[in-house]
Amino acid sequence: QVQLVQSGAEVKKPGSSVKVSCKASGGTFSNYAINWVRQAPGQGLEWMGGIIPIFGTANYAQKFQGRVTITTDESTRTAYLELSSLRSDDTAVYYCARLRRDIVNYYGMDAWGQGTTVTVSS
Amino acid sequence: EIVLTQSPDTVSLSPGERATLSCRASQSVSSSYLAWYQQKPGQAPRLLIYGASSRATGIPDRFSGSGSGTDFTLTINRLQPEDFGVYYCQQYGSSPYSFGQGTKLEIK
Repeated sequence: QVQLVQSGAEVKKPGSSVKVSCKASGGTFSNYAINWVRQAPGQGLEWMGGIIPIFGTANYAQKFQGRVTITTDESTRTAYLELSSLRSDDTAVYYCARLRRDIVNYYGMDAWGQGTTVTVSS
Repeated sequence: EIVLTQSPDTVSLSPGERATLSCRASQSVSSSYLAWYQQKPGQAPRLLIYGASSRATGIPDRFSGSGSGTDFTLTINRLQPEDFGVYYCQQYGSSPYSFGQGTKLEIK
């Protein structure tokens, strides 16, 4: 059973950066497709980007291009989301989620982290 | 970018009734890579349906998904009080993996 555990809440100043971690247990980490999804207060879900460790290349939503970096460390089975040039509207809960996959197919995001609240305030 | 539009925005039903939630895509969803999630307040989303019609592990058979191309439906039969929450559709066939705006299901 795959479990994802995220780092704790963060409070950041506008213009700074934040790095959120997502540690995985269970399954073969290098085959995961780890995605990051955020949810602003009272709003819906927004996909930010994803990465498959075995391939190494991240894919980002155009909206976040240039401000977001998704990486993984296979030795610690941990994925990271770094968001820079923070603004007040980046205040949100950030989730990591595994998009289950095999060689031929994808099967939805079946495991989610507990969420990390990032508050951007001066 | 594929835009997903869900309807209705809110639905209020009584236990035992059937809920029918719609998700319409602005263009065809590749390989029927369409998922449905349930989210309750303060919780992460939970996968209900993937591949448009396959139930995720542990999901009761009261939940069913259908559709292809641009029109998809989530049906919840015999509503239970615990089915309240917000339901999101998501396409994961082409980047960006967009979500619908959500349908709030209220139990009377």
